[in-house]
Amino acid sequence: QLQLQESGPGLVKPSETLSLTCTVSGGSISSSSYYWGWIRQPPGKGLEWIGSIYYSGSTYYNPSLKSRVTISVDTSKNQFSLKLSSVTAADTAVYYCARPSEVDSSSWGNWGQGTLVTVSS
Amino acid sequence: EIVMTQSPATLSVSPGERATLSCRASQSVSSNLAWYQQKPGQAPRLLIYGASTRATGIPARFSGSGSGTEFTLTISSLQSEDFAVYYCQQYNNWPPEFTFGPGTKVDIK
Repeated sequence: QLQLQESGPGLVKPSETLSLTCTVSGGSISSSSYYWGWIRQPPGKGLEWIGSIYYSGSTYYNPSLKSRVTISVDTSKNQFSLKLSSVTAADTAVYYCARPSEVDSSSWGNWGQGTLVTVSS
Repeated sequence: EIVMTQSPATLSVSPGERATLSCRASQSVSSNLAWYQQKPGQAPRLLIYGASTRATGIPARFSGSGSGTEFTLTISSLQSEDFAVYYCQQYNNWPPEFTFGPGTKVDIK
Protein backbone atom coordinates (compact mmCIF):
# COMPACT_ATOMS: atom_id res chain seq x y z
CA GLN A 1 0.00 0.00 0.00
CA LEU A 2 1.38 3.38 -1.00
CA GLN A 3 2.36 5.65 1.88
CA LEU A 4 3.68 9.20 1.80
CA GLN A 5 5.35 10.96 4.70
CA GLU A 6 6.32 14.63 4.86
CA SER A 7 9.31 15.78 6.87
CA GLY A 8 11.17 19.01 7.49
CA PRO A 9 11.47 21.96 9.86
CA GLY A 10 8.28 23.07 11.55
CA LEU A 11 9.51 26.63 11.95
CA VAL A 12 11.05 28.84 9.28
CA LYS A 13 12.11 32.48 9.60
CA PRO A 14 10.67 35.14 7.28
CA SER A 15 12.65 35.65 4.05
CA GLU A 16 14.26 32.21 4.39
CA THR A 17 13.62 29.08 2.32
CA LEU A 18 11.14 26.43 3.37
CA SER A 19 12.37 22.91 2.58
CA LEU A 20 10.27 19.77 2.87
CA THR A 21 10.77 16.18 1.81
CA CYS A 22 8.20 13.53 1.02
CA THR A 23 9.31 9.93 1.50
CA VAL A 24 7.40 7.36 -0.52
CA SER A 25 6.98 3.75 0.54
CA GLY A 26 5.01 0.94 -1.01
CA GLY A 27 5.76 2.12 -4.53
CA SER A 28 8.51 3.46 -6.74
CA ILE A 29 8.77 7.17 -7.26
CA SER A 30 10.31 6.59 -10.68
CA SER A 31 7.26 4.79 -12.03
CA SER A 32 6.33 6.18 -15.41
CA SER A 33 2.66 6.11 -14.59
CA TYR A 34 2.48 8.84 -12.02
CA TYR A 35 3.29 12.33 -11.01
CA TRP A 36 3.79 13.66 -7.51
CA GLY A 37 2.64 16.88 -5.94
CA TRP A 38 2.56 19.32 -3.07
CA ILE A 39 -0.60 20.92 -1.73
CA ARG A 40 -0.90 23.28 1.23
CA GLN A 41 -3.59 24.49 3.58
CA PRO A 42 -3.25 27.61 5.76
CA PRO A 43 -4.80 27.19 9.21
CA GLY A 44 -8.58 27.35 8.97
CA LYS A 45 -8.51 27.89 5.22
CA GLY A 46 -8.84 25.91 1.99
CA LEU A 47 -6.49 23.84 -0.13
CA GLU A 48 -3.96 25.26 -2.59
CA TRP A 49 -2.04 23.23 -5.17
CA ILE A 50 1.64 24.23 -5.13
CA GLY A 51 3.05 22.15 -7.95
CA SER A 52 3.70 18.75 -9.47
CA ILE A 53 6.65 16.79 -10.79
CA TYR A 54 6.35 14.09 -13.40
CA TYR A 55 8.37 10.92 -13.80
CA SER A 56 10.14 12.63 -16.71
CA GLY A 57 11.34 15.36 -14.36
CA SER A 58 9.00 17.94 -15.81
CA THR A 59 7.60 20.32 -13.26
CA TYR A 60 4.47 22.42 -13.22
CA TYR A 61 3.79 25.08 -10.64
CA ASN A 62 0.90 27.20 -9.45
CA PRO A 63 1.37 30.49 -11.32
CA SER A 64 0.89 32.43 -8.10
CA LEU A 65 3.89 30.66 -6.51
CA LYS A 66 5.98 29.83 -9.55
CA SER A 67 8.72 32.38 -8.95
CA ARG A 68 9.47 30.95 -5.49
CA VAL A 69 8.91 27.19 -5.89
CA THR A 70 11.20 24.33 -6.83
CA ILE A 71 10.13 20.68 -6.76
CA SER A 72 12.69 17.94 -7.33
CA VAL A 73 12.99 14.16 -7.14
CA ASP A 74 15.65 11.91 -5.62
CA THR A 75 14.95 8.48 -7.07
CA SER A 76 17.78 6.85 -5.11
CA LYS A 77 16.00 7.70 -1.88
CA ASN A 78 12.44 7.37 -3.24
CA GLN A 79 11.76 10.93 -2.20
CA PHE A 80 10.66 14.20 -3.70
CA SER A 81 11.16 17.63 -2.25
CA LEU A 82 9.72 21.12 -2.08
CA LYS A 83 11.61 24.36 -1.72
CA LEU A 84 9.75 27.63 -1.26
CA SER A 85 11.91 30.72 -1.08
CA SER A 86 11.42 34.14 0.49
CA VAL A 87 8.70 32.94 2.81
CA THR A 88 6.36 35.22 4.74
CA ALA A 89 3.73 34.62 7.37
CA ALA A 90 1.27 33.97 4.54
CA ASP A 91 3.18 30.75 3.80
CA THR A 92 2.28 29.32 7.20
CA ALA A 93 0.29 26.20 6.41
CA VAL A 94 -0.03 22.46 6.62
CA TYR A 95 1.91 21.08 3.68
CA TYR A 96 0.79 17.81 2.11
CA CYS A 97 2.54 15.63 -0.42
CA ALA A 98 0.27 13.61 -2.65
CA ARG A 99 -0.08 11.36 -5.67
CA PRO A 100 -3.01 10.50 -7.92
CA SER A 101 -4.74 7.17 -7.47
CA GLU A 102 -4.09 4.25 -9.80
CA VAL A 103 -7.33 4.80 -11.69
CA ASP A 104 -7.47 8.56 -12.20
CA SER A 105 -4.68 10.99 -12.96
CA SER A 106 -6.73 14.15 -12.51
CA SER A 107 -7.34 13.88 -8.77
CA TRP A 108 -5.30 13.23 -5.65
CA GLY A 109 -6.05 9.79 -4.30
CA ASN A 110 -3.07 9.36 -2.00
CA TRP A 111 -2.01 11.89 0.63
CA GLY A 112 0.58 12.19 3.34
CA GLN A 113 -0.59 13.11 6.82
CA GLY A 114 0.63 16.68 6.38
CA THR A 115 3.17 18.74 8.25
CA LEU A 116 2.60 22.17 9.77
CA VAL A 117 5.16 24.79 8.84
CA THR A 118 5.05 28.08 10.70
CA VAL A 119 6.82 31.15 9.37
CA SER A 120 7.87 33.31 12.26
CA SER A 121 10.94 35.05 13.63
CA GLU B 1 -6.93 30.80 -14.54
CA ILE B 2 -9.99 28.73 -13.70
CA VAL B 3 -11.75 29.85 -10.52
CA MET B 4 -13.85 27.41 -8.51
CA THR B 5 -16.73 28.49 -6.29
CA GLN B 6 -18.79 26.39 -3.90
CA SER B 7 -22.17 26.93 -2.31
CA PRO B 8 -23.33 27.14 0.30
CA ALA B 9 -20.37 27.93 2.53
CA THR B 10 -22.07 26.09 5.38
CA LEU B 11 -24.88 23.54 5.19
CA SER B 12 -26.72 22.51 8.34
CA VAL B 13 -28.34 19.11 7.98
CA SER B 14 -29.95 16.61 10.34
CA PRO B 15 -28.66 13.02 10.38
CA GLY B 16 -30.54 10.93 7.86
CA GLU B 17 -31.36 13.89 5.64
CA ARG B 18 -30.11 14.54 2.14
CA ALA B 19 -27.33 17.06 1.50
CA THR B 20 -26.72 18.74 -1.85
CA LEU B 21 -23.48 20.65 -2.39
CA SER B 22 -22.72 22.77 -5.45
CA CYS B 23 -19.50 23.59 -7.24
CA ARG B 24 -19.10 25.94 -10.18
CA ALA B 25 -16.13 26.51 -12.49
CA SER B 26 -15.45 29.86 -14.18
CA GLN B 27 -15.01 28.02 -17.49
CA SER B 28 -15.64 24.52 -18.69
CA VAL B 29 -13.56 21.78 -17.06
CA SER B 30 -15.35 19.00 -18.91
CA SER B 31 -15.60 16.14 -16.40
CA ASN B 32 -12.23 16.82 -14.77
CA LEU B 33 -13.81 17.44 -11.39
CA ALA B 34 -13.14 15.72 -8.07
CA TRP B 35 -14.67 15.95 -4.62
CA TYR B 36 -12.86 15.51 -1.30
CA GLN B 37 -13.95 15.15 2.29
CA GLN B 38 -11.79 16.58 5.06
CA LYS B 39 -12.23 16.12 8.79
CA PRO B 40 -10.38 18.19 11.41
CA GLY B 41 -6.72 17.25 11.72
CA GLN B 42 -6.86 14.87 8.76
CA ALA B 43 -5.71 14.95 5.18
CA PRO B 44 -8.43 15.25 2.54
CA ARG B 45 -9.96 12.00 1.30
CA LEU B 46 -10.90 11.55 -2.34
CA LEU B 47 -14.61 10.79 -2.72
CA ILE B 48 -15.45 11.33 -6.38
CA TYR B 49 -13.37 11.70 -9.54
CA GLY B 50 -14.33 12.27 -13.13
CA ALA B 51 -17.32 14.24 -11.76
CA SER B 52 -19.32 11.10 -11.01
CA THR B 53 -17.14 8.06 -10.24
CA ARG B 54 -16.81 7.03 -6.62
CA ALA B 55 -13.29 6.37 -5.42
CA THR B 56 -12.41 3.00 -3.94
CA GLY B 57 -14.21 2.29 -0.69
CA ILE B 58 -16.56 5.28 -0.83
CA PRO B 59 -20.13 4.43 0.24
CA ALA B 60 -22.89 4.54 -2.33
CA ARG B 61 -24.67 7.35 -0.45
CA PHE B 62 -22.13 9.70 -2.02
CA SER B 63 -22.84 10.62 -5.63
CA GLY B 64 -21.53 13.23 -8.02
CA SER B 65 -23.03 14.73 -11.13
CA GLY B 66 -22.51 17.50 -13.65
CA SER B 67 -20.15 18.49 -16.42
CA GLY B 68 -18.77 21.65 -17.94
CA THR B 69 -19.16 24.33 -15.29
CA GLU B 70 -21.84 23.06 -12.89
CA PHE B 71 -21.33 20.14 -10.51
CA THR B 72 -23.16 18.63 -7.57
CA LEU B 73 -22.19 16.32 -4.73
CA THR B 74 -25.13 14.59 -3.10
CA ILE B 75 -25.06 12.70 0.17
CA SER B 76 -28.31 10.77 0.18
CA SER B 77 -28.68 10.13 3.91
CA LEU B 78 -26.20 11.83 6.16
CA GLN B 79 -24.43 9.69 8.71
CA SER B 80 -22.64 11.07 11.77
CA GLU B 81 -19.26 10.46 10.15
CA ASP B 82 -20.20 12.62 7.13
CA PHE B 83 -20.09 15.91 9.00
CA ALA B 84 -16.96 17.49 7.54
CA VAL B 85 -15.73 20.02 4.99
CA TYR B 86 -16.10 19.13 1.32
CA TYR B 87 -13.91 20.54 -1.45
CA CYS B 88 -14.24 20.34 -5.19
CA GLN B 89 -11.16 20.42 -7.41
CA GLN B 90 -10.69 20.84 -11.15
CA TYR B 91 -7.85 19.61 -13.31
CA ASN B 92 -6.71 21.53 -16.35
CA ASN B 93 -4.94 19.38 -18.91
CA TRP B 94 -2.60 22.02 -20.29
CA PRO B 95 -0.77 23.47 -18.62
CA PRO B 96 -1.36 20.92 -15.90
CA GLU B 97 -2.95 22.82 -13.05
CA PHE B 98 -5.23 21.97 -10.18
CA THR B 99 -7.63 24.39 -8.51
CA PHE B 100 -9.68 23.76 -5.39
CA GLY B 101 -12.91 25.38 -4.41
CA PRO B 102 -13.18 27.18 -1.04
CA GLY B 103 -15.11 24.34 0.55
CA THR B 104 -18.54 23.66 2.04
CA LYS B 105 -18.81 22.80 5.70
CA VAL B 106 -21.56 20.30 6.49
CA ASP B 107 -22.53 20.52 10.12
CA ILE B 108 -25.20 19.10 12.37
CA LYS B 109 -28.53 20.89 12.43
